[in-house]
Amino acid sequence: GENVEQHPSTLSVQEGDSAVIKCTYSDSASNYFPWYKQELGKGPQLIIDIRSNVGEKKDQRIAVTLNKTAKHFSLHITETQPEDSAVYFCAAIVGYNNDMRFGAGTRLTVKP
Amino acid sequence: EAGVAQSPRYKIIEKRQSVAFWCNPISGHATLYWYQQILGQGPKLLIQFQNNGVVDDSQLPKDRFSAERLKGVDSTLKIQPAKLEDSAVYLCASSLDLRPNYGYTFGSGTRLTVV
Repeated sequence: GENVEQHPSTLSVQEGDSAVIKCTYSDSASNYFPWYKQELGKGPQLIIDIRSNVGEKKDQRIAVTLNKTAKHFSLHITETQPEDSAVYFCAAIVGYNNDMRFGAGTRLTVKP
Repeated sequence: EAGVAQSPRYKIIEKRQSVAFWCNPISGHATLYWYQQILGQGPKLLIQFQNNGVVDDSQLPKDRFSAERLKGVDSTLKIQPAKLEDSAVYLCASSLDLRPNYGYTFGSGTRLTVV
């Protein structure tokens, strides 16, 4: 089955700095890679995703890059703000069942 | 559009008791998922439905967990009897269908504490 590894487990940055979270996956058949933000007491919310035929995608301050050869993908948040503080999860979907496997999460703290 | 609704938000039970969670997916979403999220970990898939049929329940502890989606809309997840290690947040999610690359929408979850 698919294994998704996520690093770091915690990340603390100063407001305005950039934050980078990295994930690796094991199954070369994985074809869709979403990122979720989870705030306290809430379910995960999709913030950005990338498909296997694309190398990079950007949405305002958030970008995701994908290296299919190396089987890793990364989330980049620029100009971080205190409201970016949350737990971020990467995930990978494999196969026809739309089965999603999650990383263990990164707790991001943005200090004002 | 309305989101994925789950109830209750919180539940505290003693070990060996039974508990049930309810989920109402986004209208028109054929695929429904139940995930277990233990504190400090990513969500883990328990069971996946397409309409009222089970697509994947390979990670569901079937000796104590059961789930149904009788009319292809709402779903219930039951634990009987509960163990201490079942303490977790139970998340329901839905997506349009099974085709790859469809994102999920999650509910806010039910936090279960087994004492």
